Amino acid sequence: EIVMTQSPATLSVSPGERATLSCKASQNISSHLAWYQQKPGQAPRLLIYGASTRVTGPPGKFSGSGSGTEFTLTISDMQSEDFAAYYCQQYNSWPLWTFGQGTKVDSK
Amino acid sequence: QEQLVQSGGGVVQPGGSLRLSCAASGFTLSSFGMHWVRQAPGKGLQWVAFIRHTGNNKFYSDSVEGRFIISRDTSENTLYLQMNSLRPEDTSLYFCAKGNGAFDVWGQGTMVIVSS
Repeated sequence: EIVMTQSPATLSVSPGERATLSCKASQNISSHLAWYQQKPGQAPRLLIYGASTRVTGPPGKFSGSGSGTEFTLTISDMQSEDFAAYYCQQYNSWPLWTFGQGTKVDSK
Repeated sequence: QEQLVQSGGGVVQPGGSLRLSCAASGFTLSSFGMHWVRQAPGKGLQWVAFIRHTGNNKFYSDSVEGRFIISRDTSENTLYLQMNSLRPEDTSLYFCAKGNGAFDVWGQGTMVIVSS
């Protein structure tokens, strides 16, 4: 099983600043990585797939990078609606999908 | 637009059974792979089960293999999760989700509590 490790577990960011989240895979997953945002009481929402292809949000808000085993999600100009939990997920090891344990981004 | 609406869930005793439903609209289940994902209270996301778009192949996480059954009714365009031999550690918010790779559409979630 491919283990996904996210860091940090909690990230405190001031409004207007940029947040940088990390996700590492225990094996090479190429670019088969997705990022999700989840707010309390809500279902996760797909933000990025293919490690860097943005699904939603204004241009420049959410950006993903990386390949192989190391990946990054960058959230620019943090606003109140961006404070949430973020999960990475690998889909390279089909049919066994695994998620990271999540990073909670809160307001400093 | 594409939407998943869940129903079912509730409180059940250990060893009991429960069936979750997930009605799809805006797309047909026979065209896409579908999943169940769960989230224990205060915890992260855990993939539970997958059914291919053909309906012929089904896969499960080790923690539910042999106890849970994923299925679908194409005439109703509805996905199901039959949960048997439930354990307290199955207590979670259960989501259905669409996708063969990334999961691009999610249901609203339904809570399952296993407790005596």
